[in-house]
Amino acid sequence: GAVVSQHPSWVICKSGTSVKIECRSLDFQATTMFWYRQFPKQSLMLMATSNEGSKATYEQGVEKDKFLINHASLTLSTLTVTSAHPEDSSFYICSARQWGALQETQYFGPGTRLLVL
Amino acid sequence: AQSVSQHNHHVILSEAASLELGCNYSYGGTVNLFWYVQYPGQHLQLLLKYFSGDPLVKGIKGFEAEFIKSKFSFNLRKPSVQWSDTAEYFCAVSSSGTYKYIFGTGTRLKVLA
Repeated sequence: GAVVSQHPSWVICKSGTSVKIECRSLDFQATTMFWYRQFPKQSLMLMATSNEGSKATYEQGVEKDKFLINHASLTLSTLTVTSAHPEDSSFYICSARQWGALQETQYFGPGTRLLVL
Repeated sequence: AQSVSQHNHHVILSEAASLELGCNYSYGGTVNLFWYVQYPGQHLQLLLKYFSGDPLVKGIKGFEAEFIKSKFSFNLRKPSVQWSDTAEYFCAVSSSGTYKYIFGTGTRLKVLA
């Protein structure tokens, strides 16, 4: 199957700093990537849809100025958590959408665990 | 609004037992259906998917799922589980219009050796 990587796999930062997370599709091009957040023992919640060459689309309740998304190429999307606070601590997962035979499937990265002190 | 329900939050089985995990969704239009598995410490992996055609879908590792449109269900099955199937299983639904995935809350499966 298609491979998606994320970097870093975990990060610890001080409150008020910004953190950038990268999501890469390694063996296919993805015009659309997605960013999710997963709280402990809960499901994945979609935060935003990242579109190559255009602005991201954010889900209701997600602050676009807080979570900056850039999709500058067909294989890379970045999520920057700006001025991070302890409540932003979470597991962030990206996915990349692949098209094939009129079907689309999302392939997921391994996730990035963020801890804000 | 779309929603996905997985009623079994925790399931414990012995090896060789049969497995069925429930997934129900609420959406009136055309949907695409997925089951993903997350092994401990690993990322989500696609088990199987349904877009159209035969409602009985076969996936990897001996898993299958049946789409029953009248029941809005897409239950996951495996006739004989193995210890290595211990993982968390997520059902996801997307509508043909938006292609956004809505995930269920997941089912943690523990298989006893």
